[in-house]
Amino acid sequence: DVKVTQSSRYLVKRTGEKVFLECVQDMDHENMFWYRQDPGLGLRLIYFSYDVKMKEKGDIPEGYSVSREKKERFSLILESASTNQTSMYLCASSLISGGGTDTQYFGPGTRLTVL
Amino acid sequence: DAKTTQPTSMDCAEGRAANLPCNHSTISGNEYVYWYRQIHSQGPQYIIHGLKNNETNEMASLIITEDRKSSTLILPHATLRDTAVYYCIVRVNSGGYQKVTFGTGTKLQVIP
Repeated sequence: DVKVTQSSRYLVKRTGEKVFLECVQDMDHENMFWYRQDPGLGLRLIYFSYDVKMKEKGDIPEGYSVSREKKERFSLILESASTNQTSMYLCASSLISGGGTDTQYFGPGTRLTVL
Repeated sequence: DAKTTQPTSMDCAEGRAANLPCNHSTISGNEYVYWYRQIHSQGPQYIIHGLKNNETNEMASLIITEDRKSSTLILPHATLRDTAVYYCIVRVNSGGYQKVTFGTGTKLQVIP
C-alpha cells in the first residue's frame, strides 16, 4: 500500500512564526504536491515537485516555499505565518504508471491554526 | 478538465450497495474518470479510476457508460466507515504534474 505521512495532524502557531510541514512517502514516487483545503474553496495547489531539488509553483505559492532534498521527503515552509494561512494542508505523491495515468495519493492532512 | 456533476447527498443502508452517480458529459477522449473520498477531517483517499472499461478493485467498482458521459461508483456492501464525501473527477494524462481539483462531491451517509 502507498503510504504518505505528514509530521503533524494538528498544529497551532503564532503570527510571524516560521512553520515547517513535513511530508514523507514510501513508494519511490517522483512527484510530490502540497495543497491547502478550505471550506468553499476546495483544493488549491501550492507547490509541486517532480524530482529531487526541483520545484514548481502551483496556483497559490505566495507566502510559502518548499524543499525537496530527498526523493521521499517534501517540506512546506511558511516563512512568516499569518492568520490567513490557517487551513488544512494536504501532501500528495504520484508515480506515472505504465498506462500513463498519475494517480495521486494523499496524506492524512495537517490542520494548521495561526493565532 | 471536463466538469462533473454529482448529487449533493445520498443515504444508504448498512450492508446494501451504494451506487454513486456522476455526469461528465463534456469528457474528452483522453480524460480518465477518478474517484476519491474524504472522511471528515482526513486526507482524500484514492478509490479507483478508469478510461472506458469498467474497473473493479478491493474497494469498489466503476461502471462507465459506453458514451463515457456518465459513470457510477459502486460500493458493494456499504459499512458505517464508508460515510464520507465522494468526489468524481476527470483528469487528462499530463505527464504527472497535473493538480487534483475536487468539485462539491456527494456526501454519502451510511445508515445503521
